[in-house]
Amino acid sequence: QQQVKQSPQSLIVQKGGISIINCAYENTAFDYFPWYQQFPGKGPALLIAIRPDVSEKKEGRFTISFNKSAKQFSLHIMDSQPGDSATYFCAAGSGGSYIPTFGRGTSLIVHP
Amino acid sequence: KAGVTQTPRYLIKTRGQQVTLSCSPISGHRSVSWYQQTPGQGLQFLFEYFSETQRNKGNFPGRFSGRQFSNSRSEMNVSTLELGDSALYLCASSFLGAPNEKLFFGSGTQLSVL
Repeated sequence: QQQVKQSPQSLIVQKGGISIINCAYENTAFDYFPWYQQFPGKGPALLIAIRPDVSEKKEGRFTISFNKSAKQFSLHIMDSQPGDSATYFCAAGSGGSYIPTFGRGTSLIVHP
Repeated sequence: KAGVTQTPRYLIKTRGQQVTLSCSPISGHRSVSWYQQTPGQGLQFLFEYFSETQRNKGNFPGRFSGRQFSNSRSEMNVSTLELGDSALYLCASSFLGAPNEKLFFGSGTQLSVL
């Protein structure tokens, strides 16, 4: 049972474009939604995270949009750069359980 | 501060063998969790240890086991290896393992089972 569904599986964007990755969750107990970025040969690293009491959080070119009623959240990468080429994982966590549930990942390629 | 260190970086084993992977968390971090990463399944949670006790466990067979030492270092063992165990095994640490804490991942151990 996949509690966090992530799409698309892969994404190709031109430099300067907007990259959008979507995630949907089922468990309404989730109350913490982080995004991790993973470069080849490295482990994932926390990129940005949001709680359900806000609808949007922005850090530089990265923005999380959160829709509590639809149980969806998304990552937007503005002005995408080749250096953003990586695998992105969304995750959802709950105060009742330490273990975050990860999406299956999106491989992003940004062409120069 | 040193990051999460995983050894070895690469391993090649044959079916039926067993393997032990090691993880040294960030100094001061007491929670260590393990994940299996495969191209098709993403990150699958194996187990989490806190103060030498297994606190959470994922849906993996009993061939997968782990332990944590008093210095918070952790080991993961896989017995009777199967071809399907080929994957990148990631270790992550955090200070207390609180629900909304940031996880710090190591670079992983790439296991190939032939």
